[in-house]
Amino acid sequence: AQRVTQPEKLLSVFKGAPVELKCNYSYSGSPELFWYVQYSRQRLQLLLRHISRESIKGFTADLNKGETSFHLKKPFAQEEDSAMYYCALSRGSTLGRLYFGRGTQLTVWP
Amino acid sequence: DAGVIQSPRHEVTEMGQEVTLRCKPISGHDYLFWYRQTMMRGLELLIYFNNNVPIDDSGMPEDRFSAKMPNASFSTLKIQPSEPRDSAVYFCASKITGELFFGEGSRLTVL
Repeated sequence: AQRVTQPEKLLSVFKGAPVELKCNYSYSGSPELFWYVQYSRQRLQLLLRHISRESIKGFTADLNKGETSFHLKKPFAQEEDSAMYYCALSRGSTLGRLYFGRGTQLTVWP
Repeated sequence: DAGVIQSPRHEVTEMGQEVTLRCKPISGHDYLFWYRQTMMRGLELLIYFNNNVPIDDSGMPEDRFSAKMPNASFSTLKIQPSEPRDSAVYFCASKITGELFFGEGSRLTVL
C-alpha cells in the first residue's frame, strides 16, 4: 500500500537559515510526488512536482528513489515561507487520488 | 476559470442540524475530491468521484455523511445530523491529471 510520511509536525527556523522539510513514501511502483503549501487560512496550492524539476520560490525537491524520499529544501528561509506544507503522492498522473502526508507547519522567525 | 468554488465559506450550526456543503469544480475536470482538515488528523480524504461516479468513499466517517455529484459541475457533501466533532475545514478539489486544484474551503463549526 502507498503511504506518505512527514515526520515533523512542526518546524521552526530563523530567517536566512536553511530549511528542509522531510517526506518519505512507500509505494512499489513509479510514483509522482508533489509538495502543496497552505498559507494561513488560504486554499492549498501546488508548490512543486518532481517531474517538472523546477525551483519555486527558492524551494527545490529531489526524488530519491533509493531512499524513497522527496524532501523539500530552501537554502535561505524567509518569513513569508511560514505555512503548512503537505507532501503528496500519486500512483500515476491518470490514476485518481493523491495520498497526502499529515503536513509540516513551518514557522520562520525574524 | 474562477477555480474550484465552495459554499458556504463559513457555517456555524447546532448539534443535530443538517449541514450541506457545495462545490463547483473547474470546468472540464473529471475528478472531484472532498477532504476534511483538522489539527489532529491533518488532511483526510473523505470521498472522490470520477466522471460523477463515486470511486472511493472509504474515508467517509459514518452514515451521517453522504456526498453526491448529480452532474459534472456540482457536488454536495451532507452531514445529517451534525455533531461537534464534525467541526473542521472541508475542502473540495478537482483535477484532470496530475495537479489537484483546491477550493478555499468551508469552515464548519458545530456547537
